[in-house]
Amino acid sequence: EAEVAQSPRYKITEKSQAVAFWCDPISGHATLYWYRQILGQGPELLVQFQDESVVDDSQLPKDRFSAERLKGVDSTLKIQPAELGDSAMYLCASSYSGEQFFGPGTRLTVL
Amino acid sequence: GENVEQHPSTLSVQEGDSAVIKCTYSDSASNYFPWYKQELGKGPQLIIDIRSNVGEKKDQRIAVTLNKTAKHFSLHITETQPEDSAVYFCAASILFYQGGKLIFGQGTELSVKP
Repeated sequence: EAEVAQSPRYKITEKSQAVAFWCDPISGHATLYWYRQILGQGPELLVQFQDESVVDDSQLPKDRFSAERLKGVDSTLKIQPAELGDSAMYLCASSYSGEQFFGPGTRLTVL
Repeated sequence: GENVEQHPSTLSVQEGDSAVIKCTYSDSASNYFPWYKQELGKGPQLIIDIRSNVGEKKDQRIAVTLNKTAKHFSLHITETQPEDSAVYFCAASILFYQGGKLIFGQGTELSVKP
């Protein structure tokens, strides 16, 4: 069964450092999403891609967060510099016809 | 903007009983309503979804109902088993051909006691 892949699974960093997360969507899924999930809450959308184009990044803190999907397949989410409040689970999802399938997530801890 | 309210926040049932989780949404343009199950340390898993042109959908022990007039939808799990224990999230979306962002509820922690 095809799955969304994410790496790393866990990341511990110190504040002011740079971090990057990688996502490989299910093959053939043109739409890719990055969500952030704070412990005890539901996921919140950070950015949505259709192929290589950004469809929605209205909730992405652009002063420190960036996302790219250069060839319309895999994607990278970067935070620079990381802040204490960025500690959360970062989830990637992909879809073909509406249903969104999530990866296992990257648990980020900022010290 | 769109808001999704989910109740209850915690739910404890005996094995074999039924569990019901309810959600309300604010944006009448929403047309897609998925439910996710999330186990500790894992990503959300899509368990069932419903679109606005359907009032009810069932898949084995799981069913979802949608009341567009009242803007609420519910998840029903029958014959619960210990492996159903997890956090369940409802979500709402305005689905275009490009997809659409999901607005999630706050989650319900379901505990099924043997």
